[in-house]
This record gives sequence, C-alpha cells and structure tokens, in this order.
Amino acid sequence: GAVVSQHPSWVICKSGTSVKIECRSLDFQATTMFWYRQFPKQSLMLMATSNEGSKATYEQGVEKDKFLINHASLTLSTLTVTSAHPEDSSFYICSARVSLGGTAQFFGPGTRLTVL
Amino acid sequence: SQQGEEDPQALSIQEGENATMNCSYKTSINNLQWYRQNSGRGLVHLILIRSNEREKHSGRLRVTLDTSKKSSSLLITASRAADTASYFCATGDIQGAQKLVFGQGTRLTINP
Repeated sequence: GAVVSQHPSWVICKSGTSVKIECRSLDFQATTMFWYRQFPKQSLMLMATSNEGSKATYEQGVEKDKFLINHASLTLSTLTVTSAHPEDSSFYICSARVSLGGTAQFFGPGTRLTVL
Repeated sequence: SQQGEEDPQALSIQEGENATMNCSYKTSINNLQWYRQNSGRGLVHLILIRSNEREKHSGRLRVTLDTSKKSSSLLITASRAADTASYFCATGDIQGAQKLVFGQGTRLTINP
C-alpha cells in the first residue's frame, strides 16, 4: 500500500525556535497533502491543504505566517513551525492523497513536537 | 470545525464480543471513512464508503451509512486484544480538495 513517512518522529525545542517537519510519499505521487494537528486525547484538526507548486490553503484560525507550508515536489511537503511556543506542543500528522483518482488519504506516523 | 460526533466516546468490551461505534455528521458528503489510531501513532485507513452506498464489508469490519440520518456505524466482529485503539470517522467533502473532517473518536479497549 501507499506509504507516507514523516521526519522527525519527535522533536524537543526551546521556545522561540523554528522547527521543520517533513512529509514524504514514498511510493506514489501526491499532488495534495494535508497537515493536521492533534492534541492529547482529541481528534485531528485540519490545519492546511498543501498543493504541489502552489500556496497552501489554511483553515480558519490557523496562522499562515506561523505555520509555513512548502510543497515543492510531488513527494515532499514541509511544515515549519516558526517561533514555536509551548502551546504549539502537539502531535502533527500529515496525509497524502494519491494523485490519480484516489479518494483515500494515507497518513504519516506523526511528529511529536514538545516546546519547552 | 469538527463535523462529526462519535458515540460512544469510550467503549470497553471482552475479547470475542462485537464492538459497534457510531458517527454522525452535519453536511453533505462525498464519502465517509473510518480510521484506526493506536496510541501516539499515525492513522490507519480501514474502510471507505461512498455516499451512494449503504453497507460495506472488509474482513471483520462492517460499515453502514445512512445519508438521510447523516450517520454511519462501524461494527467490529469477534474483537481481539489487538483491536484496542481509537477509531475515527472522517467525512470527505464534495469539493475538489476532498479534505477530511474528523469526528471526536471512540477509544475502544478490548479486555483479554
């Protein structure tokens, strides 16, 4: 099946630093990738839709200048949390939709971000 | 905003019993999907049911969809300890991006 990887799987950083998370589709091309955030014992909240070669579409309430998304190729999207603060600590999950005729999304294993 | 409500929020049953989880949503959908998430891990896609389908099976899983009631159910038969996880329904919208909106999830515990 389609495999999506994320790197790193976990990261601890100091408040005020920026953190980049990578999402890769390993064996398929994904024109569209999605970024979610999940707080403990809660559901996934969609942050943004990332389209290859164009600007990401952010959900209401998500600061685009704080969560920078780049989808430079059909297999890679990155999420950069800029000037991270403790309230940004969360589990960040990406997913990718197969380019040709797919409706199911394949999820990465997630990245646990802890901001001290 | 969250679209789905899942019921129950938590379910604990004995191994071998059947587990039923329900999901309700608010708007028109293209499809509804069920996912499993083990603690601290990513999501695993279980099954997708389209808006013009009423029931779908996959192994020990049975999903129903009632678009008139805007609800879906996931039945896991002959449960196993390995089925312990959180289960989420997610609705796919009818727009081109086909983004998913997740329900709150049901935490299922299978007791050996």
